[in-house]
Amino acid sequence: QVQLVESGGGLVKPGGSLRLSCAASGFTFSDYYMSWIRQAPGKGLEWVSYISSSGSTIYYADSVKGRFTISRDNAKNSLYLQMNSLRAEDTAVYYCARAVGGLQLDYWGQGTLVTVSS
Amino acid sequence: QSALTQPPSASGSPGQSVTISCTGTSSDVGGYNYVSWYQQHPGKAPKLMIYEVSKRPSGVPDRFSGSKSGNTASLTVSGLQAEDEADYYCSSYAGSNNLNVFGTGTKVTVL
Repeated sequence: QVQLVESGGGLVKPGGSLRLSCAASGFTFSDYYMSWIRQAPGKGLEWVSYISSSGSTIYYADSVKGRFTISRDNAKNSLYLQMNSLRAEDTAVYYCARAVGGLQLDYWGQGTLVTVSS
Repeated sequence: QSALTQPPSASGSPGQSVTISCTGTSSDVGGYNYVSWYQQHPGKAPKLMIYEVSKRPSGVPDRFSGSKSGNTASLTVSGLQAEDEADYYCSSYAGSNNLNVFGTGTKVTVL
């Protein structure tokens, strides 16, 4: 069965960095686009970034462009999100999700909480 | 990209139906048949309920149905059950040069 397990969240000071990981299993990881989506406490869902199956196509939300970097290692069935210059408004649960046609998200991980606070 | 517009709340008694709207533009909802709906219970990850406007993934009850007219998509939950009480989000493809966009979310309450 498809499983996505995020890790790497935690408490970080403003201006700090964090790297999130998402371990995928139960499907051919290299065949699928993957996405990061976040949800601030009590708020709605927000697209952060997506990456094509080969890693050649990447898009970011304007809110994270220049600060976050998405990447993947198809040999390790893993997705990553490097987050630099973190701000209080980046505080959220970060989900990784598998994307199918039209970037619809058919499987989600359980999420990892990132808290940016001094 | 602006968020798609959903009503903040909707409610119905057990056995009744509730319909949630999701309004976008011709650049997203109106332009593509890639509208999806997600159910999220408190503290849980979202779950795909509807994809490509009206298709249900395996395991999703047929009480859930989707449709679209112009720039507005809709999710209908028929025969409401207690476990349907959750937040629902729509999302739409917005073209190859854009990220997709989510709706503002609707809290469904089963009275």
